Amino acid sequence: QVQLQESGPGLVKPSQTLSLTCTVSGDSISSDPYYWTWIRQHPGKGLEWIGYIHHSGSTYYNPSLKSRVTMSVDTSKNHFSLKLNSVTAADTAVYYCATSTANWFDPWGQGTRVTVSS
Amino acid sequence: DIQMTQSPSTLSASVGDRVTITCRASQSISGWLAWYQQKPGKAPKLLIYAASTLESGVPSRFSGSGSGTEFTLTINSLQPDDFATYHCQQHNSYPYTFGQGTRLEI
Repeated sequence: QVQLQESGPGLVKPSQTLSLTCTVSGDSISSDPYYWTWIRQHPGKGLEWIGYIHHSGSTYYNPSLKSRVTMSVDTSKNHFSLKLNSVTAADTAVYYCATSTANWFDPWGQGTRVTVSS
Repeated sequence: DIQMTQSPSTLSASVGDRVTITCRASQSISGWLAWYQQKPGKAPKLLIYAASTLESGVPSRFSGSGSGTEFTLTINSLQPDDFATYHCQQHNSYPYTFGQGTRLEI
């Protein structure tokens, strides 16, 4: 059973880059047909799909964030990463990593809270 | 983007009740809808995908139905563990989008 764990700074300054990592255990990140996904949840709000990356390197980003998002995979460390640049307070959220083998998400990591503030 | 709208936003019920949550899509998504349960401070948990397919291990009191633009999640005989927030998600087309959530409270 795949398990996911997010890690990264809980506080990021405005205009800087948010960087998070999701460590995968229980299977290889190179296994098919997993798509490695990032989702966020603004405080008290619904969920927003950020995008996914496949171990081959192919990606799909939400157009609303595409200009600021980069995802990558490190097969040697069995983890994948999210970078979101030029952050503002509107990027304050709980960030989840998740996986999908189809087009729904299961399982999810426990989530990591990121606050954008000076 | 496909907009997903859930109703109601909050639902009050009692143990043993049968409840229904509705999710409407701004355009047809065929049967490509998932439902998740989220408890405070926890990640969402997949309950149902493809509108009506129960995820392994999910109690049979949960059921989903619908197609096109209107979908429902029904919970029969509510249990104390069911009081949570429920989210729908369309998995028909990119970007995948979620409803705003329905909080089920006692």
